[in-house]
Formats: sequence, structure tokens, C-alpha cells
Amino acid sequence: DVVMTQSPLSLPVTLGQPASISCRSSQSLVHSNGNTYLNWFHQRPGQSPRRLIYRVSNRDSGVPDRFSGSGSGTDFTLKISRVEADDVGVYYCMQGTQWPPYTFGQGTKLEI
Amino acid sequence: EVQLVESGGGLVQPGGSLRLSCAASGFTFNRNAMHWVRQAPGQGLLWVSRIHKDGSSTTYADSVKGRFTISRDNAKNMLYLQMNSLRAEDTAVYYCAGDQGGLGDVWGKGTTVTVSS
Repeated sequence: DVVMTQSPLSLPVTLGQPASISCRSSQSLVHSNGNTYLNWFHQRPGQSPRRLIYRVSNRDSGVPDRFSGSGSGTDFTLKISRVEADDVGVYYCMQGTQWPPYTFGQGTKLEI
Repeated sequence: EVQLVESGGGLVQPGGSLRLSCAASGFTFNRNAMHWVRQAPGQGLLWVSRIHKDGSSTTYADSVKGRFTISRDNAKNMLYLQMNSLRAEDTAVYYCAGDQGGLGDVWGKGTTVTVSS
């Protein structure tokens, strides 16, 4: 199975400041078709997850452009250019290249 | 509005069974695969199962293989998860999720399954 490792696991941030979360996979996430199936999710307390980014760097509909994804191979990053109060919660990366199983990172808790 | 609504959760004794349902609306249900993902209390997300858009292929996490069965009824826009031989470690919120551009473009609010005597 592909192991996804996020860091940090806890991320205290200041409103208006940038934030960055790292995600590393135990194997390359480049699919034989050339795509890289690495997604990012945000889960607010008591809510369902919401996908922010798919295939490394594509923002989902309605996701503010403050959020950006980058990376390749085994190293990926989610960046928030300016943190807002609504951004609190847990962020997960997930790989969908080598499945089954689809695997998630442990989660990074962002708090103001 | 794109929507997934899960139902069927509840309290069940170890060894018992439950059938979860997920009603889809607001999108073309038979266009994409669908998934079940679960989250144990205070824990992270764990993928459970996937079904192909036409139901022809299913895959499972090792932890549920042989006990859980995923199915869908495209005529009714419904996704199901039959859970047998339930264990305490199956206690979790179960989410159904879509697969447009990959897993998780849309999620339901979840249904809670508690396995306890």
C-alpha cells in the first residue's frame, strides 16, 4: 500500500499569514497514463470533508484562489496564501494512483 | 444542487448486519464510480470500497473484504453498502463520495454506525 505522510500534524497560524502543508508518498504517484492522482481535502469540525484540489494542482469549483497545490512524484504541498478564520480544521492529502486501497494522510490540524 | 444523502446507520451488536444507503441527486449518477469512506471517532479518513459507474467492478479495503458488499442502482440513483459480521472496529461515520476528477468531488453528511453490545 502507498503510505501518505503529512507534516506538520499541527499547524498554528496567524490570520492573514501564509500556511503550507507537506505530503509525501511512499511511492511515486505518477500513473501510467501520465496523470498524478493526488487530492487535498479540508474537513471543518463536525462537517464532511470537502475536496479543495484534485490531480495535484486543480482547484475544485468554488475553492478560493488562496489555496494552491503543487508537487510531483512523491512530494506535494498545499499552500494557503493568506489564512482566514474559515480555514480552520483538518487537511488531508489522498492518493488515487495506486489503488486499492486509496490512502489518506494522517491529517494536519490547522488552528488560529 | 449536487447532493448525497446517507441513511441506514445505527447501533448494532457485534456480529450483526446493517445496510447503508446513499441517495444521489443533482448530477448524472451513472457517469462515475462511487465510494464509501469511513471515519472512526477522533480518527482520520479511511477508504472502504469503490464501485465502477455501471456496477461491473468492485474493490474493497482489506479490513472489510469478505464482510462488506458495495452495490448501486443507477435507475434509482442509489448507492448501497451491505455490512455483515460487524466488529467494534467498524464503528465510524460512513460517507458516500463521488468520483469526478478522482475520489471526493462530492460527499454526503455521513451516517453513524456503532457496533457495541
